[in-house]
Amino acid sequence: KAGVTQTPRYLIKTRGQQVTLSCSPISGHRSVSWYQQTPGQGLQFLFEYFSETQRNKGNFPGRFSGRQFSNSRSEMNVSTLELGDSALYLCASSLDREGEKLFFGSGTQLSVL
Amino acid sequence: QQQVKQSPQSLIVQKGGISIINCAYENTAFDYFPWYQQFPGKGPALLIAIRPDVSEKKEGRFTISFNKSAKQFSLHIMDSQPGDSATYFCAASSGSNYQLIWGAGTKLIIKP
Repeated sequence: KAGVTQTPRYLIKTRGQQVTLSCSPISGHRSVSWYQQTPGQGLQFLFEYFSETQRNKGNFPGRFSGRQFSNSRSEMNVSTLELGDSALYLCASSLDREGEKLFFGSGTQLSVL
Repeated sequence: QQQVKQSPQSLIVQKGGISIINCAYENTAFDYFPWYQQFPGKGPALLIAIRPDVSEKKEGRFTISFNKSAKQFSLHIMDSQPGDSATYFCAASSGSNYQLIWGAGTKLIIKP
């Protein structure tokens, strides 16, 4: 059974640009969550989608947005990139509405120059 | 009240020793307490989890101890091995939300 797939693995952007990250969950998983991980801040929750609907949202500015498609694949978009957005962005999927048992992808390492 | 406080931030243990990582919480509604393990270049992976109806759960060399009255839970790694070197995250959630609240992480290094 394939795991959670995130693309691209690495990304370099410049300030002011926008970026879209992709996540394919484990087959059959309907919940997808996104996290930002930085050395100083640990794991910060961005948002969670379940059956194409945003169910939970963390404390991030509106520049961070996401969506989920009917096949449960999810994308995350960051507009007007700032230097502080440099981080590892992790996607996690879970089987059902009880989004406790998370399966993480390896992440997208975003560097903003 | 939503925070989960994890300590220590980093830990060095000799091979064969016991590694202990602690977490504390305030929200008494929390009813699910997992530990995740993360290796460099990988996402976190669920290691072991506990619910408050038991005080201890053991899986191989990994044990969660849970103290409901003190609102604390800890991860014990027995006979620690160099392959256990990783970052460990505790977390907590409640049945009303399911959203995991994460600790800050502990970087564990096992010295051979």
